[in-house]
Amino acid sequence: AQKVTQAQTEISVVEKEDVTLDCVYETRDTTYYLFWYKQPPSGELVFLIRRNSFDEQNEISGRYSWNFQKSTSSFNFTITASQVVDSAVYFCALRNYGQNFVFGPGTRLSVLP
Amino acid sequence: EPEVTQTPSHQVTQMGQEVILRCVPISNHLYFYWYRQILGQKVEFLVSFYNNEISEKSEIFDDQFSVERPDGSNFTLKIRSTKLEDSAMYFCASSKAAGGSTDTQYFGPGTRLTVL
Repeated sequence: AQKVTQAQTEISVVEKEDVTLDCVYETRDTTYYLFWYKQPPSGELVFLIRRNSFDEQNEISGRYSWNFQKSTSSFNFTITASQVVDSAVYFCALRNYGQNFVFGPGTRLSVLP
Repeated sequence: EPEVTQTPSHQVTQMGQEVILRCVPISNHLYFYWYRQILGQKVEFLVSFYNNEISEKSEIFDDQFSVERPDGSNFTLKIRSTKLEDSAMYFCASSKAAGGSTDTQYFGPGTRLTVL
């Protein structure tokens, strides 16, 4: 069975602080794909990153970085120097050989000015 | 940049009525999906569609639900007899493929369905 856990329900930080959102997944497949999506207050789902199970290289995109650790089944997301516009719900998702995504419950990030 | 569009943005209906939610996927995408998100909860997969047929569906997608691609651009979700618990945000998504580097699903803005 596949499962995605985001243990942090809500996080509040002050602007310019760094923040890490945790994601732990479960799957029996050796080939799978991990994603992060952002859901701002307006409600849409915005794609942030895709990572496949064979690529453990960490990725940095501007203020965003992702740390994929197969040994701990984690795919954590760090925002450096957070901004108020980063306030949103962030979902981690897993897809295996099938087509459907399994989403985690989401982490609500509030960045305070 | 191409995007997935959905109409209407908000649909209010009476319990027992039929509703059709519409989506226009990204034009060169071949796989289409519907998800729902009950207010404050996580996003849940409903169904995926490829080559004019359902390729995968969840337990949520029971006989009350159906999907259709009536023409070359639209992808619809029909709920035959709505129930109160169908109230949710419904997201459409599309992807170029279902594997490899082009399987990223791009989501529409959602349709908020309210069943009274």
